[in-house]
Amino acid sequence: GAGVSQSPRYKVAKRGQDVALRCDPISGHVSLFWYQQALGQGPEFLTYFQNEAQLDKSGLPSDRFFAERPEGSVSTLKIQRTQQEDSAVYLCASSLAGLPYEQYFGPGTRLTVT
Amino acid sequence: KNEVEQSPQNLTAQEGEFITINCSYSVGISALHWLQQHPGGGIVSLFMLSSGKKKHGRLIATINIQEKHSSLHITASHPRDSAVYICAVRPITGTASKLTFGTGTRLQVTL
Repeated sequence: GAGVSQSPRYKVAKRGQDVALRCDPISGHVSLFWYQQALGQGPEFLTYFQNEAQLDKSGLPSDRFFAERPEGSVSTLKIQRTQQEDSAVYLCASSLAGLPYEQYFGPGTRLTVT
Repeated sequence: KNEVEQSPQNLTAQEGEFITINCSYSVGISALHWLQQHPGGGIVSLFMLSSGKKKHGRLIATINIQEKHSSLHITASHPRDSAVYICAVRPITGTASKLTFGTGTRLQVTL
């Protein structure tokens, strides 16, 4: 079956531009997670949705980062006024529920801010 | 100190060798994941475990909850096993589903 998909796969933005990254989770998966992975590092948690509710956004690095999942399926991570330090791979993962199900990861979106 | 530490950071092995990657963590957890990441970024979940041992093909994962330690073993390694292997834990405190990741072990298997 279809896995988690993300688009675009690669995005180059000029500093100061706004970007929107999309995640299509596996159909029926209740939970959705966004992670940020800097070069050479492990992923770091950004935010978590259960259906359309954003239950934890403690990992969002600044108020320039905003995520939504209005209908409980597709999610968008928006970054306003991008900075060079935002350059990273943004990973989306989904799971059937919070516990104890494992998370299925998408291929990621590589964002480069120039 | 990171909550999740992996060793070694980099590992080169010859085809056929037995490989061990270690993960130590400092918090109480409800589960531990082993993930594989190939160049290009995509992550594949290999194992999720909370006790004991799991085996899938040439891969074996073990966990010792008391010692807060897990190992990933690869038997009869092959060049296609070359990837970054990441350990991630689900802490008991905080958001139930939130994973905390190690920085990964980069494995290169040569012919």
